[in-house]
Amino acid sequence: GAVVSQHPSWVICKSGTSVKIECRSLDFQATTMFWYRQFPKQSLMLMATSNEGSKATYEQGVEKDKFLINHASLTLSTLTVTSAHPEDSSFYICSAPSLAKNIQYFGAGTRLSVL
Amino acid sequence: GENVEQHPSTLSVQEGDSAVIKCTYSDSASNYFPWYKQELGKRPQLIIDIRSNVGEKKDQRIAVTLNKTAKHFSLHITETQPEDSAVYFCAASTIILTGGGNKLTFGTGTQLKVEL
Repeated sequence: GAVVSQHPSWVICKSGTSVKIECRSLDFQATTMFWYRQFPKQSLMLMATSNEGSKATYEQGVEKDKFLINHASLTLSTLTVTSAHPEDSSFYICSAPSLAKNIQYFGAGTRLSVL
Repeated sequence: GENVEQHPSTLSVQEGDSAVIKCTYSDSASNYFPWYKQELGKRPQLIIDIRSNVGEKKDQRIAVTLNKTAKHFSLHITETQPEDSAVYFCAASTIILTGGGNKLTFGTGTQLKVEL
């Protein structure tokens, strides 16, 4: 079964609203989680690194005030897309590395459609 | 930072033929190279990975080779089947054994189509 759970899987929202996406590691602790964005027919682009107990590290060009990340516990990271606009419509995927196995597990992804 | 290039972007093969996808990376510090298979709308699935202390790894019909000197690695799928049709991504990272995890840089992807 999935070792990283991501919810919701699909969300449709109106322009200007905020959307929260959750990413949970189910049977291991993750001090670090990663958030990716994938546009249609493109690769996964790292948006930010979520760090438990400290601020997230954002990649160049990613607005930290628009994409709020909270890593409140060793098993949960959330990404909030604030004041969403149609151009934010994309597939958002989280991942968490299992240090014991040296493997990165991916969530099922969240398809965001902003009307 | 790391830059990963992947070729070809699309690949069509006949069922039973072999498929080869190639990637190059730029950061000599990278030491972990996974390959993912992604079906439309789904999460990437790890199919094989290789670490820099190994030159080749095989798992049934799938094999990966790594040339650290040239900074390139390749995915080989033999006896392809229609269910192998998907998008394949290579990635590179530096394994951090303590503290944080491994930040992956992905290639641009290869759409593999296996035709009957």
